[in-house]
Amino acid sequence: QLQLHESGPGLVRPWETLSLTCRVSGGSISNNVYFWGWVRQPPGKGLEWIANIYYNGKTELNPSLRRRVSMSVDTPKNHFSLNLTSVTAADTAVYYCARHSNYFFSAVDVWGRGTTVTVSS
Amino acid sequence: QSVLTQPPAVSAAPGQKVTIACSGTENNYVSWYQQLPKTAPKLLIYQNDKRPSGIPDRFSGSKSGTSATLGITGLQTGDEAEYYCGTWDSSLNTYVFGTGTILTLL
Repeated sequence: QLQLHESGPGLVRPWETLSLTCRVSGGSISNNVYFWGWVRQPPGKGLEWIANIYYNGKTELNPSLRRRVSMSVDTPKNHFSLNLTSVTAADTAVYYCARHSNYFFSAVDVWGRGTTVTVSS
Repeated sequence: QSVLTQPPAVSAAPGQKVTIACSGTENNYVSWYQQLPKTAPKLLIYQNDKRPSGIPDRFSGSKSGTSATLGITGLQTGDEAEYYCGTWDSSLNTYVFGTGTILTLL
């Protein structure tokens, strides 16, 4: 069964870059039925979609974060990554990596457990 | 970017039925997610009204015009959670989540 595993720093200083990686186990990231993304949830708030990436490296970004967000995919290592630049306290959140499935009309059918990121000096 | 609006909260008694609305879905397929406290969300409904394998038929989805509805029958204490709608906006190539609805059992 496919699983997603987030990793990254739990604490990031303001104005620095947040980098997270999601390792995919139990399946291939290169399957073109799926695409891969990040969703975040600030404390006490709702879900916010951040960005997606396909196995060929094509990305789609949340317009509100477009200037600060980038994603990359490493198919041999079966993982994908998120970079968010110039972070502020507003970027403090639980970050989930996610699999979108074309079988489910782009719904997220697999979620990571989430990793908590705090932006603070 | 699209905005999907849900009521902040709904409540009902155990065994009863509840519905949760999601407006602003335009012509896009709608999914529904359940987020139990301190856990990752879980897919309940996709393509407006389809259930993934393993989701009980107590959960149902429907869509009419630009609004979608999640229905839950035979409410159980384990259904207390926050529920989100979501849709892929194909005109903007972005995914959008609803504002979320907290379900409380009376």
